[in-house]
Amino acid sequence: GAVVSQHPSRVICKSGTSVKIECRSLDFQATTMFWYRQFPKQSLMLMATSNEGSKATYEQGVEKDKFLINHASLTLSTLTVTSAHPEDSSFYICSARGQGAVQYFGAGTRLSVL
Amino acid sequence: TQLLEQSPQFLSIQEGENLTVYCNSSSVFSSLQWYRQEPGEGPVLLVTVVTGGEVKKLKRLTFQFGDARKDSSLHITAAQPGDTGLYLCAGALANDYKLSFGAGTTVTVRA
Repeated sequence: GAVVSQHPSRVICKSGTSVKIECRSLDFQATTMFWYRQFPKQSLMLMATSNEGSKATYEQGVEKDKFLINHASLTLSTLTVTSAHPEDSSFYICSARGQGAVQYFGAGTRLSVL
Repeated sequence: TQLLEQSPQFLSIQEGENLTVYCNSSSVFSSLQWYRQEPGEGPVLLVTVVTGGEVKKLKRLTFQFGDARKDSSLHITAAQPGDTGLYLCAGALANDYKLSFGAGTTVTVRA
């Protein structure tokens, strides 16, 4: 299957700092990428849809000013958690859309905000 | 409320036993995917089904898509400890690339 690289895999930061997470599709071009958040032993919760060259579409209840998404190329989308607080601690996962509605997922980023 | 109802939530079985996971909805999906996720990792695609009534086999895993494209099942024959993980079904509605995920089934296969 297609390869999606997500970096970093784990980040620990102080409250109030910003954290950037990168998502790259390594062997195919992805006009659409997705960002999810996952709580322990729960399913994935879609945060936003990232479209190359245009603004991201955020799901209801997700603060666009807090979770900044940039999709500047067909192989890279970034999620920046601004002014992170302990309640932002979570597992963030990106995916890239392949053929049809199939999504290929990154390995996830564990964010811990102290 | 979730678009896809996945059951059971937890499943713990002995090695060699069979298991079935179900995903049901009142909505019609253009496609449905099954993923397996291990702790601390992202979901890995197992299969995509697109045709009503379709059956796909992947070694000991059998996937079915309902005739009306509203439901799906995953059956594992002779489960092994390596099958342990979180299984997720995810469906896409017509003309939409976003996936609606089921709540997930945590499968534990004891040696």
